[in-house]
Amino acid sequence: KQEVTQIPAALSVPEGENLVLNCSFTDSAIYNLQWFRQDPGKGLTSLLLIQSSQREQTSGRLNASLDKSSGRSTLYIAASQPGDSATYLCAVSIGGFKTIFGAGTRLFVKA
Amino acid sequence: EAGVAQSPRYKIIEKRQSVAFWCNPISGHATLYWYQQILGQGPKLLIQFQNNGVVDDSQLPKDRFSAERLKGVDSTLKIQPAKLEDSAVYLCASSSTQGVRTDTQYFGPGTRLTVL
Repeated sequence: KQEVTQIPAALSVPEGENLVLNCSFTDSAIYNLQWFRQDPGKGLTSLLLIQSSQREQTSGRLNASLDKSSGRSTLYIAASQPGDSATYLCAVSIGGFKTIFGAGTRLFVKA
Repeated sequence: EAGVAQSPRYKIIEKRQSVAFWCNPISGHATLYWYQQILGQGPKLLIQFQNNGVVDDSQLPKDRFSAERLKGVDSTLKIQPAKLEDSAVYLCASSSTQGVRTDTQYFGPGTRLTVL
């Protein structure tokens, strides 16, 4: 059974700091991995999608890596800003089109 | 391009009552998902449609939950009767699925259900 774990559960950093969010999954047979952002009271916004054949994806200040063999992904946020404060979720797509989410990391960036 | 629309945004009901949620996916998206997100947890997939057909409903409590997707476009999720533990945010998402890989999922704003 695929399980997705995100560490840490919560993180508070000062503005301008570079940070890394971690995601681990138990079964390496995945089709892709997505990172989402969720603001309070709102739906999820897709940030980056990494296909199983890829190692990383970049968008602006965000960089996501994928290591299938070790069952890990990281989301790197450069020069964090207060507007980055949100919950970040990772999700893996497995056989049968099923998507399994982690519980998320709540990020707070202090001005 | 219009996003995924959901209604209502909020709903408060008594236990044992029934409730229905509506979702309109992004135009042209073949795949539609319903997720349940309990406070402090990640979304849990309830049911997934590919066009009109159900791809996965293994985590849908079928004794009380039902869902349909008419003409491969809009979808409704119903709970009857509701229990206290059904209090959650119900998220609808859609994607343009190609082959065996899933593409980016686009989420609606969700419906926050409170069961008293």
